[in-house]
Amino acid sequence: DQQVKQNSPSLSVQEGRISILNCDYTNSMFDYFLWYKKYPAEGPTFLISISSIKDKNEDGRFTVFLNKSAKHLSLHIVPSQPGDSAVYFCAASAPRDMRFGAGTRLTVKP
Amino acid sequence: DGGITQSPKYLFRKEGQNVTLSCEQNLNHDAMYWYRQDPGQGLRLIYYSQIVNDFQKGDIAEGYSVSREKKESFPLTVTSAQKNPTAFYLCASSIRGTADEKLFFGSGTQLSVL
Repeated sequence: DQQVKQNSPSLSVQEGRISILNCDYTNSMFDYFLWYKKYPAEGPTFLISISSIKDKNEDGRFTVFLNKSAKHLSLHIVPSQPGDSAVYFCAASAPRDMRFGAGTRLTVKP
Repeated sequence: DGGITQSPKYLFRKEGQNVTLSCEQNLNHDAMYWYRQDPGQGLRLIYYSQIVNDFQKGDIAEGYSVSREKKESFPLTVTSAQKNPTAFYLCASSIRGTADEKLFFGSGTQLSVL
């Protein structure tokens, strides 16, 4: 059962524009959400997180939005840079349970 | 330079053979995890351990075994009972293993069947 879904396997944007990556979840017990970034031949690295008591968290060019009623979160990257090209995984966690989406491959074109 | 080291990077298994994937961390983290990644799927949890000498099964533990004899080390054995072992395996750690912590990942091991 896929409790965390990233419905877009890939996304391509122009350098300098906004990238929006989406993630949906089904389990209302999830109360902490994370985004990880993965380059080829490397392990994922943590990017940004948000607690369920917030609806927005910002860190530099990266902002995560959480809509609990819709069970939806999104990652905004502004402005997008070619170095942002990677696979992005969203993750949702509850005590003793963390689930990952299948990832979205972002390509930022110069 | 702290981090998680996985070895080998590539591993080939013959039919009926057990193979062991190594995972070592020098972050002084209590919790360690093993995940499996298949194409088009999210990371799936195989086993996790929150303290030395204790570990719990994840969603897909069948055909795998682990040990946690030292805080720094969490090796994963893929046994012959695992009928579809070809996948990318990721080891991770976190400070305490609570739900609000980020994971630190190794660079992974690609396991293939000959």
